[in-house]
Amino acid sequence: DTGVSQDPRHKITKRGQNVTFRCDPISEHNRLYWYRQTLGQGPEFLTYFQNEAQLEKSRLLSDRFSAERPKGSFSTLEIQRTEQGDSAMYLCASSLEDRGGSPLHFGNGTRLTVT
Amino acid sequence: GEDVEQSLFLSVREGDSSVINCTYTDSSSTYLYWYKQEPGAGLQLLTYIFSNMDMKQDQRLTVLLNKKDKHLSLRIADTQTGDSAIYFCAEISYYGNNRLAFGKGNQVVVIP
Repeated sequence: DTGVSQDPRHKITKRGQNVTFRCDPISEHNRLYWYRQTLGQGPEFLTYFQNEAQLEKSRLLSDRFSAERPKGSFSTLEIQRTEQGDSAMYLCASSLEDRGGSPLHFGNGTRLTVT
Repeated sequence: GEDVEQSLFLSVREGDSSVINCTYTDSSSTYLYWYKQEPGAGLQLLTYIFSNMDMKQDQRLTVLLNKKDKHLSLRIADTQTGDSAIYFCAEISYYGNNRLAFGKGNQVVVIP
C-alpha cells in the first residue's frame, strides 16, 4: 500500500493557462475526493467519485473546473483559464465505502501557483 | 449544514499534554476525525471516533466527544517536537451530504 499519490507536487502557471492534476488513490478504494486548501484554512470539498461516477460537486467547482475518473481508478482535475484566485493546494483523498465509516486518506497535494 | 470551529494557536512545552478543541454544528454527524498536517504535506489521519462513543484512546492520543454540546477534543500526552503541526477536526454525516467537513485547524507549536 503506497498511499494516495498526487502529481505534480508543485505547478506554477500563468493566468489564463490550463492545468491538469492527477491523483492515484489507494488501489482498493472505490471513493475518490478532491479538496482545495488555501493558506490558513481547512480543506474545502470540491467533488467526489464513487468508482467512475461523479456523485457530487461543490458550488466552489466553477465550470472552469472538471474532474474525471475513467475506469474508476486514477482521477484528473483540470482547471481551464486559470485565475490568480485558483492558487491553492489541491488535495486528493480516497476511501473504501463501507458501513463502518472508512476514513479518508489524503495525498500530499498539488500546490498550484497562478502568476 | 456543516460548520466546524477550532481555536487557532497553541504553544506547549515538550513533555506536557496538549489539548485541542473543536465544536461542530451538524447533529447528524456520524464520525468525527482528527487529522495532522505538517508544512507542505497532506493530511495524516490520526484517529477518529464514532458518534455513539464518548471517548477513544489510542496510545498518546485521547479523543473526547460531548455530543450534547457538539464538542470534540484531542489530548496529546507527553507532547514531542514532532507533534508540531496543524491539527484539523472534521466531521461527516452519512445521513447528510456524505462529505467530510473540516475546521480551520489548530496550530500546535512544541517548545523544546
